[in-house]
Amino acid sequence: GENVEQHPSTLSVQEGDSAVIKCTYSDSASNYFPWYKQELGKGPQLIIDIRSNVGEKKDQRIAVTLNKTAKHFSLHITETQPEDSAVYFCAGVQGAQKLVFGQGTRLTINP
Amino acid sequence: DAEITQSPRHKITETGRQVTLACHQTWNHNNMFWYRQDLGHGLRLIHYSYGVHDTNKGEVSDGYSVSRSNTEDLPLTLESAASSQTSVYFCASSESRGYTDTQYFGPGTRLTVL
Repeated sequence: GENVEQHPSTLSVQEGDSAVIKCTYSDSASNYFPWYKQELGKGPQLIIDIRSNVGEKKDQRIAVTLNKTAKHFSLHITETQPEDSAVYFCAGVQGAQKLVFGQGTRLTINP
Repeated sequence: DAEITQSPRHKITETGRQVTLACHQTWNHNNMFWYRQDLGHGLRLIHYSYGVHDTNKGEVSDGYSVSRSNTEDLPLTLESAASSQTSVYFCASSESRGYTDTQYFGPGTRLTVL
């Protein structure tokens, strides 16, 4: 089955700097990779996703890149703001709608 | 507005007791899921359902059961609670079985088993 590894577990950056979170997956057949943001006391919320036929996708300050050959994908947040502080999860899909999550990254934006 | 709710938000119980966590969604979604969240493990799938009367085991289903008698609800039951089941539990739903369908998560239930 699918296994997703996520690094780093914690990340601290200065406000305005960029943050990068990386994930690797094991199943070469995986074709969809969502990213979720979880704020304190809330459930995860989808922020961006990428399909395997695309190498990069951007939505304002966030972008995701996918390297199918190396089986890794990354989340990039530019011009970080205090409201970006949260826990971020990457995921792969194993079968119909079965998400396999990474371990999570706690991102802290320092003013 | 459509939403997904969980109750209770916090629960403390004793080892060996039966506990049921409620999940209710008003989107009329076909798919519903239960995850548990533990430090260092991210979210792990417990059980899921693709429709009424359909239930399937996930990665960590031992000690848990679900039943789907209508579209809106998927209660999660711990038959005999164990300390290892102390966790935060999240329910989620999605519209169809398309692999890119977004899963919407509830606010979570924090369960402590003493």
